[in-house]
Amino acid sequence: DTEVTQTPKHLVMGMTNKKSLKCEQHMGHRAMYWYKQKAKKPPELMFVYSYEKLSINESVPSRFSPECPNSSLLNLHLHALQPEDSALYLCASTPPHNEQFFGPGTRLTVL
Amino acid sequence: SQQGEEDPQALSIQEGENATMNCSYKTSINNLQWYRQNSGRGLVHLILIRSNEREKHSGRLRVTLDTSKKSSSLLITASRAADTASYFCATDAGSGYSTLTFGKGTMLLVSP
Repeated sequence: DTEVTQTPKHLVMGMTNKKSLKCEQHMGHRAMYWYKQKAKKPPELMFVYSYEKLSINESVPSRFSPECPNSSLLNLHLHALQPEDSALYLCASTPPHNEQFFGPGTRLTVL
Repeated sequence: SQQGEEDPQALSIQEGENATMNCSYKTSINNLQWYRQNSGRGLVHLILIRSNEREKHSGRLRVTLDTSKKSSSLLITASRAADTASYFCATDAGSGYSTLTFGKGTMLLVSP
């Protein structure tokens, strides 16, 4: 299995909702990432997990809460989001010193 | 923060022509990677070139890296309509697991 999967593909939520994005990989990669990408912009790094521990948080607001329950799974919990948080959320994983494998992304719309 | 600057921002060519995209960056790197993205979906890795390499080929792709000028180029030869996509360079300066900083990207349109 050489892919990163993300669910759901699309998500529409209100500003008072709580939702979660899920990312999974079975390539044995021990580093996993969350990126946010606005339209016509490059991806921006949000969080990095290394060996299931949060190693980088790029000053992301606390309404985004990452979780890494095991080496194959990465979640992003969303609460009290703002309309400007609408974006494509990308998950990636990587072996050391190598390219990153990206999932197809979750298109999030906050109303 | 974004380290890479790519040019051109947009490129429109005919099928069969070559497409060249350039990327400049500011700090020392471990490697530089090129990715393709179709219609706002996931990124697909194209090629990775390490800081001690100068040129790399993969099929119709040729990447060069000049660390003295802090620049890289991606050449796609004999382009096809299916090559229409956004192309991003990304630099990895880390010593452990990669931490990528993406350039602004080049939107390539290949017309039949």
